[in-house]
Order: sequence, then structure tokens, then C-alpha cells
Amino acid sequence: LAKTTQPISMDSYEGQEVNITCSHNNIATNDYITWYQQFPSQGPRFIIQGYKTKVTNEVASLFIPADRKSSTLSLPRVSLSDTAVYYCLVTSGGYQKVTFGTGTKLQVIP
Amino acid sequence: GAGVSQTPSNKVTEKGKYVELRCDPISGHTALYWYRQSLGQGPEFLIYFQGTGAADDSGLPNDRFFAVRPEGSVSTLKIQRTERGDSAVYLCASSLGTSGGTPQETQYFGPGTRLLVL
Repeated sequence: LAKTTQPISMDSYEGQEVNITCSHNNIATNDYITWYQQFPSQGPRFIIQGYKTKVTNEVASLFIPADRKSSTLSLPRVSLSDTAVYYCLVTSGGYQKVTFGTGTKLQVIP
Repeated sequence: GAGVSQTPSNKVTEKGKYVELRCDPISGHTALYWYRQSLGQGPEFLIYFQGTGAADDSGLPNDRFFAVRPEGSVSTLKIQRTERGDSAVYLCASSLGTSGGTPQETQYFGPGTRLLVL
């Protein structure tokens, strides 16, 4: 499984756009990049998944460059309720196990 | 609709005791996963089921840990002779279990069971 590296923590003011970058230098051809969000005292929640270029949904955007060795999760105009831990995962598909790292703890400041 | 539920939400036990943690997956989901999360860490994979069978139990730390899913729905994680180091949040997740290839299926997590071993 490809190892991922992401910042341990980030702070942002309300209303700002937040970009969290994840490195995955050893990503394999069949791997997808998936992001989960976890609030305190809750299980992780799927945010977005992508293979290459850009993916956007109602919650976030995911930017993946051509070499796929990194990816950036973009959260537009964050609010206090976006304070959470964000996990970047590289997954090889199907219903296999996934490996979580320590994630990025995002603190949104009023 | 109903999500993944886990019971109990909290469990306090004494060192050496036996505990059972229950997971009710989303109806129709054939894949079920167990993870363990220690404070400040990401979830750590323990075992996953496809239907009734354990497809991958490589994450179980030792033979004190065992999980079953006899009818392919509800699963029980069993811990024998609990140790203080077993204290953690035990998370259960489920997914459709129909996609044998890419992309990764979305896993839906329950709220977890907080286990404290005194």
C-alpha cells in the first residue's frame, strides 16, 4: 500500500479556502485517492475520491496532478463546523481494507 | 436511512475480563470492517468480512481478538482476557461489497464503541 504524508495540523479563519496537500510518491497505477473527514467522537466520513485531474462535489474539490504523486483537498469558505481531522488514503479498490495515517487536524478559527 | 450502529457506545471493564462489541451494518451491505482507533491516531484496520467469511484478518493483534459474522449481517468483535492496552475506540464500517475492482467502495462508519480497560 502506498504511504501518504500530510501535514499534522492546519489553522484557518472562517470563510477562507483551505487546501490540504497529501504526498503519495509510491502510488500504483490502479490506486485511487480518497479523503475522509472525522469529527470528534464520530467515525470517519467519506468526502471525495479521485483518480486524476479534478473532482468536485458539494463538499470539496480534489486536485490531482498528472504524475499523481500528490493530491490537494480544497475546502471552499470553511466554517467552524469544518473543524475536524482529514485523512488522505491511497486505495487499491473494491472492498479491501484501507490504511489511515494520522491525518491533518484542521482548526477553523472565528 | 439507518446507518451503521454499534453497541454499546461505551464499555468499561476490568483487566482480564471478556468483552463483546456489536456492529449492525447498513442493510444490504455485504462487506463489513473493524478498526481500532487510539487517541490521536488514525483508525487501524483489524479485520474485514465479505458475507459470513473473514476475507482478511491480518490486522488482529493477537489471538485474544476474534470476530464473527454468522449470518452475514451483524458482527461481533470479541476480546478475551482484556488488557489495559486494549483501551481504544473500536469502529465498525460497512460497504456494498459488490465492486471487486476499482474504485474503492465508500465505507460507512459507525460512531464506535469506546472501550476502557481498568
